Amino acid sequence: SQQGEEDPQALSIQEGENATMNCSYKTSINNLQWYRQNSGRGLVHLILIRSNEREKHSGRLRVTLDTSKKSSSLLITASRAADTASYFCATAQRSNDYKLSFGAGTTVTVRA
Amino acid sequence: SQTIHQWPATLVQPVGSPLSLECTVEGTSNPNLYWYRQAAGRGLQLLFYSVGIGQISSEVPQNLSASRPQDRQFILSSKKLLLSDSGFYLCAWSGSPDSLDFGSGTQLSVL
Repeated sequence: SQQGEEDPQALSIQEGENATMNCSYKTSINNLQWYRQNSGRGLVHLILIRSNEREKHSGRLRVTLDTSKKSSSLLITASRAADTASYFCATAQRSNDYKLSFGAGTTVTVRA
Repeated sequence: SQTIHQWPATLVQPVGSPLSLECTVEGTSNPNLYWYRQAAGRGLQLLFYSVGIGQISSEVPQNLSASRPQDRQFILSSKKLLLSDSGFYLCAWSGSPDSLDFGSGTQLSVL
């Protein structure tokens, strides 16, 4: 079953702007991960944040996690046309849980 | 380095025909292997996962089955396809709980 719910479902921004998307989940988690999917391709792992972390950075990506609200956000700064893709959050409920539950994704379009 | 191969990329099959999708992983041993399905514009649904040869766990009762005849080979099958089996099928592997590496996917259209 799907654990995460992304918001918004779709986002259109101008190149250079920031893109923010949110993920809410229902049960306690060990970690939360973000993936990117280019149209018709497989998913690529972007970043992982553990339940005891509140913020993490990787290049132009910034992820926050609020376990009290059961939510996470992904911020892409200074967006580029190549960032056009669907972004999915995925949760792992236990430390040795190899099964990830994915949300429905946010489709981001970056206009040149 | 590890590589995952999934084929074919696209497949059009008539209702009632059999299905066999294959996934292989290179550069690692004893990987955890997964089959996910993605309906158009939706998230991923876990279908099967395997932690070892011959060990298959099914997440959703359905018309599909999976097998792992070799350590790095994972096969998704059906004896008779249904219209509802259409979708984008993704194979993935994991050497740790921290991330999954996905294949490039198979777009299956059942007509």
